[in-house]
Amino acid sequence: GQQLNQSPQSMFIQEGEDVSMNCTSSSIFNTWLWYKQEPGEGPVLLIALYKAGELTSNGRLTAQFGITRKDSFLNISASIPSDVGIYFCAGRTTDSWGKLQFGAGTQVVVTP
Amino acid sequence: DAGVIQSPRHEVTEMGQEVTLRCKPISGHNSLFWYRQTMMRGLELLIYFNNNVPIDDSGMPEDRFSAKMPNASFSTLKIQPSEPRDSAVYFCASSIGADYGYTFGSGTRLTVV
Repeated sequence: GQQLNQSPQSMFIQEGEDVSMNCTSSSIFNTWLWYKQEPGEGPVLLIALYKAGELTSNGRLTAQFGITRKDSFLNISASIPSDVGIYFCAGRTTDSWGKLQFGAGTQVVVTP
Repeated sequence: DAGVIQSPRHEVTEMGQEVTLRCKPISGHNSLFWYRQTMMRGLELLIYFNNNVPIDDSGMPEDRFSAKMPNASFSTLKIQPSEPRDSAVYFCASSIGADYGYTFGSGTRLTVV
């Protein structure tokens, strides 16, 4: 079963607001990834993190690899309607042989 | 690059029929993954290939499911016989190595009636 706890489950926000979501793990991870999935499509990789403490941005998106290596967060600044979708965290442990574990996802709805 | 290509995009079949899902990974990627996505269980890893060799199939639900990767550019996931509880979206993903992020295909939405 999933070892990742992703929260919140859903968010309803107004255009222009900032969004924050996070994932916690019961295991130590050596990789954290954040994906976005839109209806009818597969998840698309947004940000990859490989070092504890690493802070990486991709446009209005910023993600950090927690220093405990058991958590990560994703922030979206100044949300726009096209930010709508489901955001997934994913991570792998050192002994996972490359397998990623996925969180349950955070559904983001942006209203004008 | 065309990305990961899956076919068909949609499949509706009757219970008991054989279903074959197809995947063409990105050229040069040596790892391939099959996932199943449902509302109840989220994204579940079914099987993982590295250099065309199955590395971990512990996520395959039961013997009705089988997967092959005869060469670096093609993989299949077969369900025989299919059951209504197999209805889900099945994703194929590939990566350039085990330590990198995956690129997902657009998925196959399977409905078993």
